[in-house]
Amino acid sequence: DAGVTQSPTHLIKTRGQQVTLRCSPKSGHDTVSWYQQALGQGPQFIFQYYEEEERQRGNFPDRFSGHQFPNYSSELNVNALLLGDSALYLCASSLTGYSNQPQHFGDGTRLSIL
Amino acid sequence: AQTVTQSQPEMSVQEAETVTLSCTYDTSESDYYLFWYKQPPSRQMILVIRQEAYKQQNATENRFSVNFQKAAKSFSLKISDSQLGDAAMYFCAYRQGAQKLVFGQGTRLTINP
Repeated sequence: DAGVTQSPTHLIKTRGQQVTLRCSPKSGHDTVSWYQQALGQGPQFIFQYYEEEERQRGNFPDRFSGHQFPNYSSELNVNALLLGDSALYLCASSLTGYSNQPQHFGDGTRLSIL
Repeated sequence: AQTVTQSQPEMSVQEAETVTLSCTYDTSESDYYLFWYKQPPSRQMILVIRQEAYKQQNATENRFSVNFQKAAKSFSLKISDSQLGDAAMYFCAYRQGAQKLVFGQGTRLTINP
C-alpha cells in the first residue's frame, strides 16, 4: 500500500523563478493538503484540495496556487519566488468523510531559493 | 483562530527514563481532534498518538500516552522507557473536523545514552 509520495525531493531555484511541486496521495485518499515548514518551525497550512477544487486556504499570497487532478494527485505552484519561500513543503492526504482519521504525510520537498 | 503552543523548545532525557512534552491550545469549539506528530531528520511527519476531544479517556499507544485536560486546554505527551529512536522533533497539532491541521512550534527531544 503506497503512502504519500512527493517529488522532487530537493529543488534549487533563484529569486523570481517559478516552481511546481507534486504529490500523490495515499491509496484510497481523496483530499490533499499542502503545508510550508520553515527551518525550525512548525508546518503552516497553505491550502487543501478536494474534488479538484480548493476547499480551504491559509494565509498565503496568490503567488501560491494549486491543482488537483481526477486521480487525486496534486500540484503546488509558486510564482515569483522570494528568498523567504525557502522551506520544506509537505503534502498530506486524507479521506473526506472520515474526519476521525489522521492525515498522512509525505517526505516533503526541500525548496532552496538562491 | 485556533492556536497551539509548545513552551519547551528543547527537552532531553536519559535512555529508559520518562519524559513529558507540554502543549496548550486555544479554541472555542467543543468537538475537535488533537495529535502528536514526530519528525525525525528524515523529514517525514509520523503520527504518534491522537485524541478525540469528546473522549474523556486519555489515549495510549504502547510507550506513548497523553494527559488530556479539556477544560484547561492542555494536551501533554508522556514517553515512557525512552529509546534512542525516540529522538526527533515533536509537534502538537489541532484539527476541527476535516479542516486544516494547526501545529505548534515543536519540541526537540534528545535522548542521552
